[in-house]
Amino acid sequence: SYVVTQPPSVSVAPGQTARITCGGDNIGSESVHWYQQKPGQAPMLVVYDDSDRPSGIPERFSGSNSGNTATLTISRVEAEDEADYYCQVWESSSDHYVFGPGTKVTVL
Amino acid sequence: QVTLKESGPVLVKPTETLTLTCTVSGFSLSDASVGVSWIRQSPGKALEWLAHISSNDEKSYRTSLKSRLTISKDTSNSQVVLVMTNMDPVDTGAYYCARISGDYRTGFDYWGQGTLVTVSS
Repeated sequence: SYVVTQPPSVSVAPGQTARITCGGDNIGSESVHWYQQKPGQAPMLVVYDDSDRPSGIPERFSGSNSGNTATLTISRVEAEDEADYYCQVWESSSDHYVFGPGTKVTVL
Repeated sequence: QVTLKESGPVLVKPTETLTLTCTVSGFSLSDASVGVSWIRQSPGKALEWLAHISSNDEKSYRTSLKSRLTISKDTSNSQVVLVMTNMDPVDTGAYYCARISGDYRTGFDYWGQGTLVTVSS
């Protein structure tokens, strides 16, 4: 089965840029989605298909995907961005949806 | 307005069978390219995909849990049901249903609020 990896945590000062990576074998050929989850809440889609944003998601959230790494970038980080972030891909060979282990973003 | 809402027992005993229902509104389970998945999250842990049912009733299951899971839908009542047998304390956690509208490139665009299930005697 397809395995994706994420760093457990990322710390960033307000106003700076946070980059969260999602690693996987040739993940650049996959479609990667990113979810934000705040404590006690359901996850929310913030980036889909590598770099597209659902309506209502601030432009500060952007994504890229190439080679073995996909990246979620949060520019001009705000306190409200403190949350867990999960990447997700679809494994076509097994028709499975795979989530990464999650990254906790702390705003200093 | 698209909504999904999970319902089911809060507490189940070990070895019992869990039945969860996801009631949707704002779209139809027969809409082309619409699918619904169940995803769970043990306390303090990551999201774990369990099962998926597509608009044409195709089903897929997490390999490690396939023998314990059954997903089905009642289109007329706008419900997706997940049955998980032989519950164990490690199955304790929040269970979410989530929608995919389109193909694998769209992601889970709407989620339910989740329902907490505790497995304990």
